[in-house]
Amino acid sequence: QVQLVQSGAEVKKPGASVKVSCKASGYTFTGYYMHWVRQAPGQGLEWMGRINPNSGGTNYAQKFQGRVTMTRDTSISTAYMELSRLRSDDTAVYYCARDLGKSQEGVMGYWGQGTLVTVSS
Amino acid sequence: EIVLTQSPATLSLSPGERATLSCRASQSVSSYLAWYQQKPGQTPRLLIYDASNRATGIPARFSGSGSGTDYTLTISSLEPEDFAVYYCQQRSNWPPITFGGGTKVEIK
Repeated sequence: QVQLVQSGAEVKKPGASVKVSCKASGYTFTGYYMHWVRQAPGQGLEWMGRINPNSGGTNYAQKFQGRVTMTRDTSISTAYMELSRLRSDDTAVYYCARDLGKSQEGVMGYWGQGTLVTVSS
Repeated sequence: EIVLTQSPATLSLSPGERATLSCRASQSVSSYLAWYQQKPGQTPRLLIYDASNRATGIPARFSGSGSGTDYTLTISSLEPEDFAVYYCQQRSNWPPITFGGGTKVEIK
């Protein structure tokens, strides 16, 4: 079965960077796009971008351009999301989510458990 | 960027009642519209994709409909476990993928 297991909670100071990992299992890692979505406390869902694990190609939401970097390591079936120049309003739960299927790009059928990133001085 | 507006923000209903949730897009999303359920402290769960296709394991009481800019999620008879927040999401014109602001279905 498809499983996405994310790294643990992080506490960072303003201006620092954070790198969250998402280890995939139960399917061919390079076969499906991986998205990153965040959710601030008490707020809705916000798409940050996606990575093609096969090619490494990325698409980022304009809001995060220049601050976010999505990468992957195919040898360990793991995707990464790094966010730099952190601010207090980056405090959120960060999720990785896999496409439902090859014909359903952008439908997030499988989700990681989420990683809480807290930005505080 | 396509903006999705969900209404109402909160829906207060009793178990057994019918719930009708709306999602309106700022331009046509050509039925590339999904619905997710999120319970407190839990991960979002895909319910419906491409406007009307139920995801695997989703009960038949959940149904989706709509076209163009207007979409509806219907829960035919609310079960206690259905009280949650529901989000719509479009994948028609992206990046970016966008989500609606959510509708909270609460117990009346």
